[in-house]
Amino acid sequence: QVQLVQSGAEVKKPGASVKVSCKASGYIFTDYYMHWVRQAPGQGLEWMGWINPNSGGTNYAQKFQGRVTMTRDTSISTAYMELSRLRSDDTAIYYCARELAVAGNINWFDPWGQGTLVTVSS
Amino acid sequence: SYELTQPPSVSVSPGQTASITCSGDKLGDKYACWYQQKPGQSPVVVIYQDSKRPSGIPERFSGSNSGNTATLTISGTQAMDEADYYCQAWVGSTVMFGGGTKLSVL
Repeated sequence: QVQLVQSGAEVKKPGASVKVSCKASGYIFTDYYMHWVRQAPGQGLEWMGWINPNSGGTNYAQKFQGRVTMTRDTSISTAYMELSRLRSDDTAIYYCARELAVAGNINWFDPWGQGTLVTVSS
Repeated sequence: SYELTQPPSVSVSPGQTASITCSGDKLGDKYACWYQQKPGQSPVVVIYQDSKRPSGIPERFSGSNSGNTATLTISGTQAMDEADYYCQAWVGSTVMFGGGTKLSVL
């Protein structure tokens, strides 16, 4: 079955960087865009951007441009999201999610990874 | 900037119909989808392309989208439907989420 398995929880100090991985299985990794979405404690969902696993092309939400880098390793079907210059308000669960599409503008996310809690604290 | 607005909370009695709205400028010109998130779990899509249900999602979940409002309707609501629900749409090359609605089944 299609599955996205993320790396484990992280605790980082302000100013540091974190890199979260998302290993895909059950489908051809390079056939579907991968998105990253985060959720601060008790808050809603916030889209961070996507990576095209085939080309490596990316599109980041304006809020995160300059701080986020999305990469992939096709040999192990894994996507990565690195966030730098961490602040306390970056404390959140970070999810990867596969994009499904039936046309250029009909897209949704399925499935989602189990989430990775990143805690930023001094 | 574009925003999707949802009511923070909706309450419904078991067996009744729950409606959760998502409002945005000319949202009907875009495609909306809906995610269900239960406590401690990852979101799950329940409606995509305005009104389509993925396999495995019960028929009691339905969706519509017209004008400025997309609506998720749950008919015959069950206790297991208690969750947070998020609408989502694409605005250009950007993904937008609504703020989420907590559905309480009382």
